[in-house]
Amino acid sequence: DTGVSQDPRHKITKRGQNVTFRCDPISEHNRLYWYRQTLGQGPEFLTYFQNEAQLEKSRLLSDRFSAERPKGSFSTLEIQRTEQGDSAMYLCASSSIKLAGETQYFGPGTRLLVL
Amino acid sequence: GESVGLHLPTLSVQEGDNSIINCAYSNSASDYFIWYKQESGKGPQFIIDIRSNMDKRQGQRVTVLLNKTVKHLSLQIAATQPGDSAVYFCAERGAKTSYDKVIFGPGTSLSVIP
Repeated sequence: DTGVSQDPRHKITKRGQNVTFRCDPISEHNRLYWYRQTLGQGPEFLTYFQNEAQLEKSRLLSDRFSAERPKGSFSTLEIQRTEQGDSAMYLCASSSIKLAGETQYFGPGTRLLVL
Repeated sequence: GESVGLHLPTLSVQEGDNSIINCAYSNSASDYFIWYKQESGKGPQFIIDIRSNMDKRQGQRVTVLLNKTVKHLSLQIAATQPGDSAVYFCAERGAKTSYDKVIFGPGTSLSVIP
């Protein structure tokens, strides 16, 4: 399977704990995106990388959130001091204008529940 | 402000019938639109896209229509099958703040009655 993969698929944590999610994009896709989706809503953009550079961050991304893509391949999204409002599905997507036009391909998501 | 939304939150169709899912957008500067399908517990799956210089684009069993005059987008699914049951999102790009960010509407839940 050469699609976008995310790990873990599910995470339950207690309020105040830190969590980290991983995204492996489609091979050779140089663009990587993180989105958050709450129940019944469409995904909301969080941040975007082109190679290893983080080019845009949404206002939704508070200072408790940090994302990295150190080698321009996989990415991590860390949430520090989690709050119940952080409970959501965190989606990763990747794209490559050279290979697949502008289409963003999504992973299966990581569902986070903060107790 | 910019927004992408859907007219109906739910849609039920008989298996074999055609489905039409509608979407309204407010940002006339948007130049690229995408339809995604999301099944329960999965990430959004790309269905079809269309640029603003086109009125219609066809795929396998799906057609997207774009009416820029009234800022309306629709997805037509021919001969709807049970496997088409999902939430469908329209999304836009090329909005004023970022070319790479996709803005999703709230979604329409499609239920196919066997």
